[in-house]
Amino acid sequence: KAGVTQTPRYLIKTRGQQVTLSCSPISGHRSVSWYQQTPGQGLQFLFEYFSETQRNKGNFPGRFSGRQFSNSRSEMNVSTLELGDSALYLCASRYGQGGYEQYFGPGTRLTVT
Amino acid sequence: AQSVTQPDIHITVSEGASLELRCNYSYGATPYLFWYVQSPGQGLQLLLKYFSGDTLVQGIKGFEAEFKRSQSSFNLRKPSVHWSDAAEYFCAVASTGTASKLTFGTGTRLQVTL
Repeated sequence: KAGVTQTPRYLIKTRGQQVTLSCSPISGHRSVSWYQQTPGQGLQFLFEYFSETQRNKGNFPGRFSGRQFSNSRSEMNVSTLELGDSALYLCASRYGQGGYEQYFGPGTRLTVT
Repeated sequence: AQSVTQPDIHITVSEGASLELRCNYSYGATPYLFWYVQSPGQGLQLLLKYFSGDTLVQGIKGFEAEFKRSQSSFNLRKPSVHWSDAAEYFCAVASTGTASKLTFGTGTRLQVTL
């Protein structure tokens, strides 16, 4: 079974721009979560989607948003990029009904200049 | 609120030596606990999980972890470390219910000397 895939793997953007990251979960998984990883803050939860609905949200500004499609694929968007948004963005999927283990993709490395 | 503490930021062991990485958690209910490993520039790979039952759980790559409720600990062990085990290791606890999220510790970087 194919794992979680994320595109693109690397991205360089300029302050003020916006960016969209994509995630395809493991087949059959209906829940997708996003995490931000930085050297200073570690791994932080952004949000979780299940059946196209956001079920949980972390403590991030409204510039961070996401959505999920009917095929469970998910995108996250960051608007008005700031230097501090430079991070590894990880997507994880799980079944969503009682199963709590999450499987991670390789991440998207975003650099904001 | 749930939290995870990994007291060791960096550990160095010799190849062939045993390994124990410490993890302490705080969670109000029965915890769902995980260990993940991350190689440089990569995502997180699930090593093992604890939900209930036997407090000693086996994972991939020869790792095991022991859940001790009285100590709120979930330490990761390996009897004999290989050079390829050098990576960063994260302990995590999952919130349960309709919505779930993982709360991670700050990670322990493992260096293996030959």
